[in-house]
Amino acid sequence: EAGVVQSPRYKIIEKKQPVAFWCNPISGHNTLYWYRQNLGQGPELLIRYENEEAVDDSQLPKDRFSAERLKGVDSTLKIQPAELGDSAVYLCASSLDRSRYEQYFGPGTRLTVT
Amino acid sequence: GQNIDQPTEMTATEGAIVQINCTYQTSGFNGLFWYQQHAGEAPTFLSYNVLDGLEEKGRFSSFLSRSKGYSYLLLKELQMKDSASYLCAVRDVITGGFKTIFGAGTRLFVKA
Repeated sequence: EAGVVQSPRYKIIEKKQPVAFWCNPISGHNTLYWYRQNLGQGPELLIRYENEEAVDDSQLPKDRFSAERLKGVDSTLKIQPAELGDSAVYLCASSLDRSRYEQYFGPGTRLTVT
Repeated sequence: GQNIDQPTEMTATEGAIVQINCTYQTSGFNGLFWYQQHAGEAPTFLSYNVLDGLEEKGRFSSFLSRSKGYSYLLLKELQMKDSASYLCAVRDVITGGFKTIFGAGTRLFVKA
């Protein structure tokens, strides 16, 4: 069974530029999560999807961050414009549904904003 | 609000036993997880406790006391490959479902 796939693995951009991250969850997993992880910290939830509906986006900085999950499968997280403080690892995770406790994480995208 | 505390770093010797503690405060507790994260890699699930007591899985065991807001992860027969960060995470009940809050992690160094 293929795991959670993310791309790109690494991205370096200048501040004020846009950037997008892509995630393909495990087949059949209805719940998808985007986390941000700063160095030495645990993952922080940005947004959670149940199928194509965003059900928890309270921690998503909506002035510059946006996300979508068309057709309830793949998801894209976008930052526009990026700021220096956005440098972090962006992790995507999925679970079978919201009642299933185990989350499967992708390898993450390491973003560096210069 | 939610708060999770765990030690920043620990060092242990190969073959020994190490206990990583985690204390938490949450308004709607619905389970506690432990994840392992090697440097530069994604977190991987280790254990889940929702009832008080000890859950054993091979060399790893996890304990929960809901009344004390306390958990620990016990690693036996330590191996060099166990050097990693160990994340304690709590699942909190919120409107519309659940939310998982992660601690900052404990970096474990296993020395020969």
